[in-house]
Amino acid sequence: GAVVSQHPSRVICKSGTSVKIECRSLDFQATTMFWYRQFPKQSLMLMATSNEGSKATYEQGVEKDKFLINHASLTLSTLTVTSAHPEDSSFYICSGILAGGSPDTQYFGPGTRLTVL
Amino acid sequence: GENVEQHPSTLSVQEGDSAVIKCTYSDSASNYFPWYKQELGKRPQLIIDIRSNVGEKKDQRIAVTLNKTAKHFSLHITETQPEDSAVYFCAASLGTGFQKLVFGTGTRLLVSP
Repeated sequence: GAVVSQHPSRVICKSGTSVKIECRSLDFQATTMFWYRQFPKQSLMLMATSNEGSKATYEQGVEKDKFLINHASLTLSTLTVTSAHPEDSSFYICSGILAGGSPDTQYFGPGTRLTVL
Repeated sequence: GENVEQHPSTLSVQEGDSAVIKCTYSDSASNYFPWYKQELGKRPQLIIDIRSNVGEKKDQRIAVTLNKTAKHFSLHITETQPEDSAVYFCAASLGTGFQKLVFGTGTRLLVSP
């Protein structure tokens, strides 16, 4: 149980285009989801906290107008990278917290590798 | 804010040896400390976690110890196997309610046959 999926698994796009990444909790409801970014050989850096039905909370230094997050339902959160540039190339990973479960156990998605040419 | 330091950055051991990875944290309010294993290009997998009301937890070959006074916690892997080779991340919770995690910098473990 507690499976999280992401789509797409990898995407290559041209500079200036926008890319949408979906994060779904397949067998549980997630009132809170997190979005992370991981550059090669580095740790996971939290970008934002996404709560169903409300605006996302962004970490310091993360541009909210560039990384649009929508958490429209208890099983889906989306991250849109707007006007992507090569420096946005990274591994984007989401996680969800089981509603009604342990308030601190995060279940991670498989990640989306974004390459911006 | 919370700061988590992790050592060593790389660790090479022979199969069957033990491996120890150490982390320190700065926020005394942190109360949840998970450890994740990440293989190249894959999702982080929770391997063990510990909460602040416990000093030690063990699950087969894996154990975690927590010293709240010193603000450090450690991962111990015994009888290492080649399939244990991966990057391991510690993390510490931040905040209340649905808690954010701050991750350590990671340890690349290589177990040689």
